[in-house]
Amino acid sequence: AQKITQTQPGMFVQEKEAVTLDCTYDTSDPSYGLFWYKQPSSGEMIFLIYQGSYDQQNATEGRYSLNFQKARKSANLVISASQLGDSAMYFCAMREGLSGNQFYFGTGTSLTVIP
Amino acid sequence: DGGITQSPKYLFRKEGQNVTLSCEQNLNHDAMYWYRQDPGQGLRLIYYSQIVNDFQKGDIAEGYSVSREKKESFPLTVTSAQKNPTAFYLCASSWTITDTQYFGPGTRLTVL
Repeated sequence: AQKITQTQPGMFVQEKEAVTLDCTYDTSDPSYGLFWYKQPSSGEMIFLIYQGSYDQQNATEGRYSLNFQKARKSANLVISASQLGDSAMYFCAMREGLSGNQFYFGTGTSLTVIP
Repeated sequence: DGGITQSPKYLFRKEGQNVTLSCEQNLNHDAMYWYRQDPGQGLRLIYYSQIVNDFQKGDIAEGYSVSREKKESFPLTVTSAQKNPTAFYLCASSWTITDTQYFGPGTRLTVL
């Protein structure tokens, strides 16, 4: 089974609107962390936001928020007030447990912001 | 400026040649990682290192080798045993193995 699933290969959003990028995960380990990264066309992976499995509140970082629904095993990224510079690939990732080789990435969602 | 540097940005090699990709960080991070990204795919872990002089295989280590002689450096060698080496290679580092990973700009390797 896939550890991280991103079901939206491509998304479009109007500038200044909000958009939600979906991510579901699969783990039986009680200790895990969820991450979102942005990859512009230049290729660099930019860290956006982190949610720990024991965190009670949803993580927020500026225009980014993570909608963490533990029972549903989902960790959707919400981008508010989209900007043209938000156009990029977005990857959801999970660190499972406490070992370095248990870090999994999804296949990504391509977001295009329309002026 | 603190960060992670990878060089070169683009690399071309002939089939059968070994090639070494550089990764340097001045963030004082203990852990470092190498990932491979193919078109339309997520990242796959090649090797990681928790501390100097120690490293562990990831999911796709065959055909690759690494060293960690200094805290700030984690070079990756793509050997001739790697059957399909053309890909985008990303290096990352983190304070410890459980912390957020920060990435370098990547090296795009093309084997002709």
